[in-house]
Amino acid sequence: DVKVTQSSRYLVKRTGEKVFLECVQDMDHENMFWYRQDPGLGLRLIYFSYDVKMKEKGDIPEGYSVSREKKERFSLILESASTNQTSMYLCASSFFPSLLPQGTEAFFGQGTRLTVV
Amino acid sequence: AQRVTQPEKLLSVFKGAPVELKCNYSYSGSPELFWYVQYSRQRLQLLLRHISRESIKGFTADLNKGETSFHLKKPFAQEEDSAMYYCALRSYNQGGKLIFGQGTELSVKP
Repeated sequence: DVKVTQSSRYLVKRTGEKVFLECVQDMDHENMFWYRQDPGLGLRLIYFSYDVKMKEKGDIPEGYSVSREKKERFSLILESASTNQTSMYLCASSFFPSLLPQGTEAFFGQGTRLTVV
Repeated sequence: AQRVTQPEKLLSVFKGAPVELKCNYSYSGSPELFWYVQYSRQRLQLLLRHISRESIKGFTADLNKGETSFHLKKPFAQEEDSAMYYCALRSYNQGGKLIFGQGTELSVKP
């Protein structure tokens, strides 16, 4: 089974703290993604990566950065946490898109619920 | 720009009724489209993808390129179908970017 593991289920941090969210996958996937999930807003893409040390901004990158030093690990960094970053954060991974008949499914972690106080 | 729109936040039906969850997309090219589902307290998981043209748990979805839609349908809803449903779009370029719609909560009442 594919496994995407996020380091924490719940985190509580103070405003202004630097926060690290870690995600590890074991399927040798090229692509990794970070989303935040908020009621009524769905999943919004923060950043994604298609290779080691490569990163691309998603739709809401402000206030976040990422790091991908190894293929299996993709870290999300909140440089200075703010209360409006309180959310559920989801990590996902997949093979790079191709025209194979089976397509390219993304696998998700269990999520990290971050509360910034 | 890529965009996925799910116009309904909540869809409530009775058991045995037909269900249609709407999804419209904008993309200049040939995208890969998916439906994902999240049951209560579970991870988001793939339900089906347009490439495989399969039926999963009685759900089907047809890609209509003319209307840029990928609606999810099931002829007879079951209580266990109650969940959050997300439509997603993936491009073959742009580094494999994968975006989601706002989600539709399906509630199937007994």
